[in-house]
Amino acid sequence: DVKVTQSSRYLVKRTGEKVFLECVQDMDHENMFWYRQDPGLGLRLIYFSYDVKMKEKGDIPEGYSVSREKKERFSLILESASTNQTSMYLCASSSPGREREKLFFGSGTQLSVL
Amino acid sequence: GNSVTQMEGPVTLSEEAFLTINCTYTATGYPSLFWYVQYPGEGLQLLLKATKADDKGSNKGFEATYRKETTSFHLEKGSVQVSDSAVYFCALSDLNDYKLSFGAGTTVTVRA
Repeated sequence: DVKVTQSSRYLVKRTGEKVFLECVQDMDHENMFWYRQDPGLGLRLIYFSYDVKMKEKGDIPEGYSVSREKKERFSLILESASTNQTSMYLCASSSPGREREKLFFGSGTQLSVL
Repeated sequence: GNSVTQMEGPVTLSEEAFLTINCTYTATGYPSLFWYVQYPGEGLQLLLKATKADDKGSNKGFEATYRKETTSFHLEKGSVQVSDSAVYFCALSDLNDYKLSFGAGTTVTVRA
């Protein structure tokens, strides 16, 4: 079974902490994405990557950065966590070409910033 | 820019009822349209898609038809089951942009 694995299901952090959210996929996908999911707002794209060491800003990149040192791993970094970053974070991956729009999602990390 | 608007939930139905979730879109080009589903405790997964006008996507008894004239992609199922309880997301992607734009999601609960 193909998988996108997010390192934590629930995370509680303090304001100002540096937070790392890890995502690993075992499908050898080139494309990887980070979304946040908020009630009434749906999914909003934070960052994405089409290749190792490559990254592009999504619709709401402020306050976040990413790292992709290896093809299978895509990390989301909150440099200084704030309460408005409390959210469900979803990682996804896809293959290039015609199937690029078929995203495979992880189960999500519910982050609470206190 | 591209955007998706879908009907607000939550929607509560009895088993074997007919389900419709409305979705309309705004796009500058000719987008592909999708429905994703998120079952409790799981990640989103692709339910069905349509890539051009008048295409009908179907899967697991669900159907949606790409209507360019009304810019809509409504999801329908004729007889729902308890196992269809989930959050449903409408989404689109532009041919020139790999990114998906998602709607806000509609929570559907089916009661036995």
